Amino acid sequence: DAGVIQSPRHEVTEMGQEVTLRCKPISGHNSLFWYRQTMMRGLELLIYFNNNVPIDDSGMPEDRFSAKMPNASFSTLKIQPSEPRDSAVYFCASINTGLYTEAFFGQGTRLTVV
Amino acid sequence: GDSVTQMEGPVTLSEEAFLTINCTYTATGYPSLFWYVQYPGEGLQLLLKATKADDKGSNKGFEATYRKETTSFHLEKGSVQVSDSAVYFCALSDGSGYSTLTFGKGTMLLVSP
Repeated sequence: DAGVIQSPRHEVTEMGQEVTLRCKPISGHNSLFWYRQTMMRGLELLIYFNNNVPIDDSGMPEDRFSAKMPNASFSTLKIQPSEPRDSAVYFCASINTGLYTEAFFGQGTRLTVV
Repeated sequence: GDSVTQMEGPVTLSEEAFLTINCTYTATGYPSLFWYVQYPGEGLQLLLKATKADDKGSNKGFEATYRKETTSFHLEKGSVQVSDSAVYFCALSDGSGYSTLTFGKGTMLLVSP
């Protein structure tokens, strides 16, 4: 397996634009997490899916953020409209909770909103 | 709720020095504990884990022991290398049916030759 795949690796966008981040989890994993990493706040859990269903989205900062998981092999995190304070590295991670061993992380998307 | 507290960095050491990065946690029940490492420009990778009290996780010369009495999971290595320079994250999973990982803020380690 190629691991968790995120795209794009880097995204630069203007304030007010819509941004969509993509994640392909490891095949067979039933849970998916979106994290945001900044120098100030460290790693923050944004949302957590189990079997494609959002279980906990209490970390989503505001209504401008939304996430979907239409099937077991794909998830998106959308920011609309984007703001400079959304600039961060966004990580996706997946895990098989039935065989709980470790969470596998993607390489992240570095988002810069100017 | 669950929380993880790590010592603040950066930790700056010379090659072959002894490393300790402190980690304490607050959780209900019996969490599993993890150390993840993040190299520059990359995602997090699992370094080691322990799933019950008194377990010792180890990998690549790093060790950590799950101490329930002190709610700690300190990371240690006897002799660090320049290649160990990275950010280290302590994390816990509460082990519930919908397990999520709670991370500490991370500790940057810088090892000089």
